[in-house]
Amino acid sequence: GIQVEQSPPDLILQEGANSTLRCNFSDSVNNLQWFHQNPWGQLINLFYIPSGTKQNGRLSATTVATERYSLLYISSSQTTDSGVYFCAVELRGLIYNQGGKLIFGQGTELSVKP
Amino acid sequence: NAGVTQTPKFQVLKTGQSMTLQCAQDMNHNSMYWYRQDPGMGLRLIYYSASEGTTDKGEVPNGYNVSRLNKREFSLRLESAAPSQTSVYFCASSDRTGWRYGYEQYFGPGTRLTVT
Repeated sequence: GIQVEQSPPDLILQEGANSTLRCNFSDSVNNLQWFHQNPWGQLINLFYIPSGTKQNGRLSATTVATERYSLLYISSSQTTDSGVYFCAVELRGLIYNQGGKLIFGQGTELSVKP
Repeated sequence: NAGVTQTPKFQVLKTGQSMTLQCAQDMNHNSMYWYRQDPGMGLRLIYYSASEGTTDKGEVPNGYNVSRLNKREFSLRLESAAPSQTSVYFCASSDRTGWRYGYEQYFGPGTRLTVT
């Protein structure tokens, strides 16, 4: 089946630093999403980005579908950015209405120190 | 809009007991999903419902059943709980599924289940 690999597994930053998280996937996908799971366990949608580049404040993401990877950039990190960042890809369904299954990576655990 | 809601937030069961986790969405989405998250791992799909009236197995369906009650509600049932089902359960919804285009999924707050 499709493999989704995230790197690095853990990251410790000083407040104000920048970082890049990577997601590699092994097959063609319909959809790629980035999530932030905060320390209370809530999953927050960051980006829906099957291809191209998007920006939202201090966060931006780029997906190069032809090369099967996506990058999440966090600039000027804050302590509230701490948590686990997940990349998830949606398999391309073989028939209509059979897609929608998100496959998650193992996550990158980010800790931002004041 | 509340988005995706789940009840209960926490539950403790004894081995062999049964329970139903409830999920509802108010975004008029066609597709709904149940995932589980074990410690230190990403989420894994248990069951999904591409549209009202249909359900299908995901990656880890054993020990679970689902019901798509109507377009808004999708429940997950544990008939005889086992310690291996201790996990955090997330419900999600999306506009619909397709085979060439994907749709963004939105997640509920989760249900933390412990089976002793």
